Formats: sequence, C-alpha cells, structure tokens
Amino acid sequence: DQQVKQNSPSLSVQEGRISILNCDYTNSMFDYFLWYKKYPAEGPTFLISISSIKDKNEDGRFTVFLNKSAKHLSLHIVPSQPGDSAVYFCAARDSGAGSYQLTFGKGTKLSVIP
Amino acid sequence: DSGVTQTPKHLITATGQRVTLRCSPRSGDLSVYWYQQSLDQGLQFLIQYYNGEERAKGNILERFSAQQFPDLHSELNLSSLELGDSALYFCASSPFMTGGFGTEAFFGQGTRLTVV
Repeated sequence: DQQVKQNSPSLSVQEGRISILNCDYTNSMFDYFLWYKKYPAEGPTFLISISSIKDKNEDGRFTVFLNKSAKHLSLHIVPSQPGDSAVYFCAARDSGAGSYQLTFGKGTKLSVIP
Repeated sequence: DSGVTQTPKHLITATGQRVTLRCSPRSGDLSVYWYQQSLDQGLQFLIQYYNGEERAKGNILERFSAQQFPDLHSELNLSSLELGDSALYFCASSPFMTGGFGTEAFFGQGTRLTVV
C-alpha cells in the first residue's frame, strides 16, 4: 500500500514558466513533509519542507503548499530553469513514530525546456 | 557534497553471492538510514541505526542485515543475492535519533548493485 503517491511520472515545462509537482498521502499520522531533488548518479538532495501546522512554506523560487484536509501537497517552482531538470521525490514522516524513517513517493521527472 | 560517503559506487555480482555496502555518515551524525530504490520505485526504507543500536526496521529482507560500528560508519550486508535485489542502495544520516521539525536527512550518492 503506497502511503505517498506522486501520480505524474513526468512533467515538461518551458523555461520561465511555473512547474507544479503534486503529491498525495494517505497516512494521517504524517506530520512533516519534504521534497528532495535527485540528479542522475547522485543521491537525493533536500529541497524544502513543511510541517503539518503550516499550509505554505517558501524558499526562493520554491514554494510548498499543504492541504491537510485533502492530504495533498504541491511544490511550485517559479520561474523554472533548465537546471531544475531532475527527479523530484515527495517524502513524509510521522515524527511521533520514534524514528526518522521517511516514506517516499516514486518521484516525478521534471524536464525544463529552454 | 552531502558529506555522506558510500562505497563502492557500483557493484556487479552473481546470484547467490554476498556483498557488503559501506556508509560513512556526515561528521557528528549519529543516525544512519538505509534505503533501497528499485527500478521505477520510490526509495524504500530498510533500517535505521542510532549510535550503534538498531532503531527502526522497514521492509528489510531476512537475507539482509546491517550494523553500525563504534566509529559510526555502517555496513549493509546482502546475502543469497537474487536478480530482484538489483537496485540503488542509499545511505542517509542525520544528527538525531528522531526527526524533529526542521531536520532533514542527508543522502549519499548510492551504491548501484547489479545481480547477474
């Protein structure tokens, strides 16, 4: 049973436009959400996070929105740049579980077209 | 550079064999996590160690085992290898046993295991 779902395996966006990556979760115990970016032949790199007590967190061109009632979060990248082309993983954590275990989605491959 | 070092980067071995993957966490990090990424799959949590003790277990097969040594490096041992064990194996580290808000795990570059 997939507790974190990224239903779009891939996304193509023109340079300068907005990229929106979506993520859904089913476990209501998740209280912290993260986005990781992964380039080929590299490990995942932390990008941005949000706790369940917030509905928005912004860091430069990256904004994460959380809709708890819908169990949905999204990552907005504005403006998109060719260097943003990578696989983006949504991850979630139950902080009360006593571990840092992350549950990941399968990832969305973003291609930013110059 | 995340500060997490994994060796080797690539490993090719035959079915039935045993391999050991190594991870050196970031300086000062006490927690080490192992994840497996199979083809077209997200990262699956395998196991966590904190300061030498097993802390949490995920979907880790009985053929797999891990340990964390006094110098905090960790090894993941995979035995009786099958074709389906071919995957990317990532190690991550963090300072704490549990993740508080505002803390993240840092990942190594991974070891690509190919079982033939």
